[in-house]
Amino acid sequence: TQLLEQSPQFLSIQEGENLTVYCNSSSVFSSLQWYRQEPGEGPVLLVTVVTGGEVKKLKRLTFQFGDARKDSSLHITAAQPGDTGLYLCAGYISGTYKYIFGTGTRLKVLA
Amino acid sequence: DTGVSQDPRHKITKRGQNVTFRCDPISEHNRLYWYRQTLGQGPEFLTYFQNEAQLEKSRLLSDRFSAERPKGSFSTLEIQRTEQGDSAMYLCASSKYRDRGYNEQFFGPGTRLTVL
Repeated sequence: TQLLEQSPQFLSIQEGENLTVYCNSSSVFSSLQWYRQEPGEGPVLLVTVVTGGEVKKLKRLTFQFGDARKDSSLHITAAQPGDTGLYLCAGYISGTYKYIFGTGTRLKVLA
Repeated sequence: DTGVSQDPRHKITKRGQNVTFRCDPISEHNRLYWYRQTLGQGPEFLTYFQNEAQLEKSRLLSDRFSAERPKGSFSTLEIQRTEQGDSAMYLCASSKYRDRGYNEQFFGPGTRLTVL
């Protein structure tokens, strides 16, 4: 069974704090996507990482793909209330159609 | 290109009624997916189309559920004899297959189904 575990499941922090969300699997992915989803909306793609060890930055968000392409992390610097939402990682299995979704991290940033 | 669109955005129905949802993927995306999502959870895979062919169906998809993608463009998901347990967000996503590198999946806004 292919699983993608995210941690933590829930996170409530004050505005200005830093945080890291982790996404771990025993499976190797050819690419991994991070999404943010707000209530009542579909997930919005934030970034795709492809190469082992790759680091991508999107303003205050830093995404890293593990060297073995089995894990990833999302780091948010100086969190803002607008960062509140459900963060999902999804790994793509090469040679298939499959995307394996993480369990999700619900982030709440308090003003 | 305006992205993946879904219609309707919200549907309220009575138990036992049939409902149909539509998804228009990003043009030239040959892969189309349907997912179901309940509150606070990640999306659960329902079914997958490559062009017009339905290549995979989850065991979650009972015989009350049927999906089509007749011309390899838009897709419909029909639920017959709805049950209260069908209440969820139904998400459509599309992607364009690449043999390496970026295989990115883009989601629509979802259809929120409430079965009374």
